[in-house]
Amino acid sequence: GEDVEQSLFLSVREGDSSVINCTYTDSSSTYLYWYKQEPGAGLQLLTYIFSNMDMKQDQRLTVLLNKKDKHLSLRIADTQTGDSAIYFCAEIANQAGTALIFGKGTTLSVSS
Amino acid sequence: GAVVSQHPSWVICKSGTSVKIECRSLDFQATTMFWYRQFPKQSLMLMATSNEGSKATYEQGVEKDKFLINHASLTLSTLTVTSAHPEDSSFYICSARSGTGGGTEAFFGQGTRLTVV
Repeated sequence: GEDVEQSLFLSVREGDSSVINCTYTDSSSTYLYWYKQEPGAGLQLLTYIFSNMDMKQDQRLTVLLNKKDKHLSLRIADTQTGDSAIYFCAEIANQAGTALIFGKGTTLSVSS
Repeated sequence: GAVVSQHPSWVICKSGTSVKIECRSLDFQATTMFWYRQFPKQSLMLMATSNEGSKATYEQGVEKDKFLINHASLTLSTLTVTSAHPEDSSFYICSARSGTGGGTEAFFGQGTRLTVV
């Protein structure tokens, strides 16, 4: 079945760049997402990338996709303390009514 | 962007009672809604897929008689935890998609923290 793996923790200093990595197994994934979850809150969509793209940039966020290796990364430039949260990688196949498959989440801790 | 409203945000109930959680899509029609459960420091586990006007599809290991899902309209799905027990305490999150294609964004409610005492 589908599986999404992420490293569990990442600690960076304020101002540095953060890179969160994710691997997935389903080669039929058409869209891959990054969600952010702050303590006690729901999920906020940060960005997503279509599987025929290699890179997508959105302000401080850069998503890199290596479809051959089924590897996805999220780079946050100039990381701020407000970026401290859990970041979830998720995938979806191109099927109507299909739910997202989530990784376990990476806890990003930003120190000042 | 589209908004999914989940209510209540938190609830405390006594063991043996039932609790209903509502999930509404406020500005779009959601033919499909999803219910997830999240344990502390863990990922979201899909519980069931709810289609408007039909029975929900439950994931393996999820008791359909315990977690009753109703999707009576295109904007409302409810999850009822029946005869709740302390082990049902968790964070429940609903999600709705605004379209049927794989690329349509999934919007999430803010989650419901259920504590059974």
